[in-house]
Amino acid sequence: GAGVSQSPSNKVTEKGKDVELRCDPISGHTALYWYRQSLGQGLEFLIYFQGNSAPDKSGLPSDRFSAERTGGSVSTLTIQRTQQEDSAVYLCASSLGGLAGVGNFGPGTRLTVT
Amino acid sequence: AQRVTQPEKLLSVFKGAPVELKCNYSYSGSPELFWYVQYSRQRLQLLLRHISRESIKGFTADLNKGETSFHLKKPFAQEEDSAMYYCALSSNTGKLIFGQGTTLQVKP
Repeated sequence: GAGVSQSPSNKVTEKGKDVELRCDPISGHTALYWYRQSLGQGLEFLIYFQGNSAPDKSGLPSDRFSAERTGGSVSTLTIQRTQQEDSAVYLCASSLGGLAGVGNFGPGTRLTVT
Repeated sequence: AQRVTQPEKLLSVFKGAPVELKCNYSYSGSPELFWYVQYSRQRLQLLLRHISRESIKGFTADLNKGETSFHLKKPFAQEEDSAMYYCALSSNTGKLIFGQGTTLQVKP
């Protein structure tokens, strides 16, 4: 079956614009995670969904960042008023349950803010 | 505080030499530890997890609770092992806390 997919694969945007990043998890996976991979900060956790609820949003860096998940499936990460420091690769991962560890990462969306 | 430390940014070895990628962690409780690998232009993938006590692609890692370490080892490095390696610790929700990563370069 298909793995985790993300779109777009690349996004270039101007500072101040809003962007939406999409994640399609593996079918049936209830847990979904967003991470950010950047040169200076490595891999950072952003938010965790169990079903459509987000019990852990502790990694969202500011209130410009938000995410939602609908139908226990697709998730979108929205960054409002983008800044240059938002430039990074945004990774999505899914798993069957929160305690299973995560082995299924998407290819990422490379965001460049100019 | 939960933290994972990988002290080496870059490890360069010759083909056939032994490899040890270091990982130390800080966690209150019983940790679940993982190693992930990212080959050039590929997605991040799980290499191994400590609870499985398995060997994948010749790599092994033993959890040492006394030293709070989970070093990744391989007795004979291959060129195809060249990649970025991340050590990670899982919280009880499955959220991963990653180390900064170590680039392994295996020279011919």
